Amino acid sequence: EALLVESGGGLVQPGRSLRLSCAGSGFRFDDHAMHWVRQVPGKGLEWVSGISWNGRSTAYVESVKGRFTISRDNAKNSLFLQMGSLTPEDTGVYFCAKDFSPSLYRSNRFDPWGQGTLVTVSS
Amino acid sequence: QSVLTQPPSASGAPGQRVTISCSGSRSNIGSNTVDWYQHLPGTAPKLLVYSNNQRPSGVPDRFSGSKSGTSASLAISGLQSDDEADYYCATWDDSLNAPVFGGGTKLTVL
Repeated sequence: EALLVESGGGLVQPGRSLRLSCAGSGFRFDDHAMHWVRQVPGKGLEWVSGISWNGRSTAYVESVKGRFTISRDNAKNSLFLQMGSLTPEDTGVYFCAKDFSPSLYRSNRFDPWGQGTLVTVSS
Repeated sequence: QSVLTQPPSASGAPGQRVTISCSGSRSNIGSNTVDWYQHLPGTAPKLLVYSNNQRPSGVPDRFSGSKSGTSASLAISGLQSDDEADYYCATWDDSLNAPVFGGGTKLTVL
């Protein structure tokens, strides 16, 4: 059974950085694109970033471009999200999700998802 | 403001059938397939329907999806208390070149 476990969330001051990790197991990690999706308090799901199976293609929602960097280590079945210049608007629960496809093109079929890790940006 | 529009809430009595709509445009639903997710706060979101109307293994046939033009819908029949959750539609947007979600619909079983 495919399983994803996020870690690295916490309380961070505005302007600082944080690195999230996601460990995958129970599936061939390097066969799939991977994504980060967040849920801001009281609001819905928002796709944040995605990375292709080999890491050569990445994509970001406009609001995090230039501040967040997605990466992966297929040898360690791990996905990362380096978040910089954090603002209170980045507060939320961050989920990692496995894509059905190896590429990012027209991909929106995420299964499974992790339980999420909470990021709180506040002074 | 989400790219895909869903009603914020829906409700039904146990055993009843409820439908949740998802409205988009030619650049998203009109050109791509739609997936639906179920999310109970505090847990991992779950894929409920993919490619408009396909169910992953383990998802009961009480859940069904459909798509017509630039709109999609999720129908839940034989409502159960366990179905109380938030439901999200999702698709690819050709203009944004990214996946997009609806704003979510909170389902209450009366």
